[in-house]
Amino acid sequence: KNEVEQSPQNLTAQEGEFITINCSYSVGISALHWLQQHPGGGIVSLFMLSSGKKKHGRLIATINIQEKHSSLHITASHPRDSAVYICAVTDSNYQLIWGAGTKLIIKP
Amino acid sequence: SAVISQKPSRDICQRGTSLTIQCQVDSQVTMMFWYRQQPGQSLTLIATANQGSEATYESGFVIDKFPISRPNLTFSTLTVSNMSPEDSSIYLCSASEGNTEAFFGQGTRLTVV
Repeated sequence: KNEVEQSPQNLTAQEGEFITINCSYSVGISALHWLQQHPGGGIVSLFMLSSGKKKHGRLIATINIQEKHSSLHITASHPRDSAVYICAVTDSNYQLIWGAGTKLIIKP
Repeated sequence: SAVISQKPSRDICQRGTSLTIQCQVDSQVTMMFWYRQQPGQSLTLIATANQGSEATYESGFVIDKFPISRPNLTFSTLTVSNMSPEDSSIYLCSASEGNTEAFFGQGTRLTVV
C-alpha cells in the first residue's frame, strides 16, 4: 500500500462542474502539498497545508489531520484546468512522499 | 516563500551526451532534492543535496550517472550523464528549510533520441 494515495486516478468532467480530488496518507506529516502538472510537464505549486482550508481563486484545498485526508476542489471547472494534480506530503524526516497523481480532463 | 528557477524547461538530447539541469533559489535553503518522473509514473527521489557535503543517493541511482553539485545555499545542478532513451523523463528540484515549507522548480522535460 502506498503511503500517499490519490483518487480518482483519472477524472473527466464537463466544463462548469465542481471537481473533487482526494488524497489520503498513512504517515505522520508536517505538511501536505498540492501541485499541478501541465501537459507539457511544467509543475506549479498550488497549496501547502498543515491544517484547515486554503482558497486561491477557484481552487480550494482542505485537510483533516485526524482522518489523514485532504481534498482539492475546483469550482466552475474550465478546460484550462485540465492537468495532472499531484498530492505530496512532507513526512517527519522532512522528506517528500508523492502521490501518483490524478489526471483531470475538462471537456468544453 | 522561496522561488526556484529551474532551467532548462525542456530539452531534446542525443544519446550518449550529458545534460546539466540547474536550480536557482532566491533565498538560502538548507536542503535541496532532485526527483525523476518517468512516463506514466509518480515522482521518485534521486538524491538529497546539502551544501558542504556529498549528495545522498537513493537506491537505484548512482553518482556516476547523476552527478550533483551544491556549491552554495542557493544553487544546485543535476547532470544526466551518458544519456539513453530510458532517461527520457521529467526532472524536478525542490528545496526545504527542514520545516514544513517545501518549494518546487518548474520541472525539466528531457527527451533522449
